[in-house]
Amino acid sequence: SSELTQDPAVSVALGQTVIITCQGDGLRSHYPGWYQQRPGQSPVLVVYGNNIRPSGTPDRFSGSSYGNRASLTITGAQAEDEADYYCNCRGGSDNHHVFGTGTKVTVL
Amino acid sequence: QITLKESGPALVEPTQTLTLTCTFSGFSLNTPGVGVGWIRQPPGKALESLALIYWDDDKRYGPSLGGRVSITKDTSNNQVVLTLTNTGPVDTATYYCARSTYGYIYDSWGHGALVAVSS
Repeated sequence: SSELTQDPAVSVALGQTVIITCQGDGLRSHYPGWYQQRPGQSPVLVVYGNNIRPSGTPDRFSGSSYGNRASLTITGAQAEDEADYYCNCRGGSDNHHVFGTGTKVTVL
Repeated sequence: QITLKESGPALVEPTQTLTLTCTFSGFSLNTPGVGVGWIRQPPGKALESLALIYWDDDKRYGPSLGGRVSITKDTSNNQVVLTLTNTGPVDTATYYCARSTYGYIYDSWGHGALVAVSS
């Protein structure tokens, strides 16, 4: 299957740790990208490859992968981390890429 | 500074063809490894990959559009054009263009263009 599945929503207390997961066959062979999308804004790449953070991404964001699952961890969540998060990865018969179903993170 | 900007009609009638243009600056689509893709997001829903064109004119299309989509590039004018035929209400969405590196990683995005398909 070319789909990437994510939990629809998770919540985290301010300053605590939250893990966002992404599952799909393409993850067995390729690292995902992780994107943060705040309400009314365009997505922003926060982690890609083997836990690489673009400049500007706080170091509280980290990524990991194992088998057909990948995770984005926010260690010490802040109020500004409240957003939707999407993974993407290669998948499908023509090696196109797909996005995950998205996870809404609420910071309490 | 890398910028991408989407342009096109805000309203399209059902069955018509939607054409969107992405005009970018700060990078070249002649650079090996670089691509420009189109991604859309229906209101309140998830991101959906539509098409991606690479520096060498290799093209990849999303799995859900059944051959209705095509992508072309005009390197000299720094533009990428998306065409979506036989539109319907399900194509109502915000359409983003974005720069791709490392094959499928989108590291810079435009602000998006909201397109409604309605009569």
